[in-house]
Amino acid sequence: GAVVSQHPSRVICKSGTSVKIECRSLDFQATTMFWYRQFPKKSLMLMATSNEGSKATYEQGVEKDKFLINHASLTLSTLTVTSAHPEDSSFYICSASWGAYNEQFFGPGTRLTVL
Amino acid sequence: GQQLNQSPQSMFIQEGEDVSMNCTSSSIFNTWLWYKQDPGEGPVLLIALYKAGELTSNGRLTAQFGITRKDSFLNISASIPSDVGIYFCAGTTGANSKLTFGKGITLSVRP
Repeated sequence: GAVVSQHPSRVICKSGTSVKIECRSLDFQATTMFWYRQFPKKSLMLMATSNEGSKATYEQGVEKDKFLINHASLTLSTLTVTSAHPEDSSFYICSASWGAYNEQFFGPGTRLTVL
Repeated sequence: GQQLNQSPQSMFIQEGEDVSMNCTSSSIFNTWLWYKQDPGEGPVLLIALYKAGELTSNGRLTAQFGITRKDSFLNISASIPSDVGIYFCAGTTGANSKLTFGKGITLSVRP
């Protein structure tokens, strides 16, 4: 149980285009989903927290107009990187939690490369 | 932002050996979590700890939630090559709350 999927696993795009990443909880309803960014050999950096049906809460320094998050249902959250630039290239990981549990279950990550 | 303290950054052990990793914080957490991350993958939850003093096992893994709620350790016994990876500790204060992570320890296991 507690499986989280992400799609796509890898994406390469041209500078200036927008990229959407999906995060799904496959066997549970995710009350809250989180989006992280990870640089090589570094820990996970939280970008935003999203609760189903409400606006995401962004961490300091994360541009909400640049990284659009939608959490339309209890099993799906999307992260859209708008007008992507090479510096947006990174490993993006989502996680989901539910109910009264404090654990977060992570997706397999999406490798974004912006040319 | 706040981060949990994990050191050293890397550990090298021989296959079959036991290894212990520590994680400390200046703040109190209600839940401690240990994750393992393989290259190019998302972190996988190994053990969750909910009560101060709690000792929990998962196969060859054992973890404890410190009495002060400011630290935790993870033990891996009889290491095998597939134990190679990055081990992160994380703390949280409540349900659906954000996690505070350590920097991670990269474990290498020599056959």
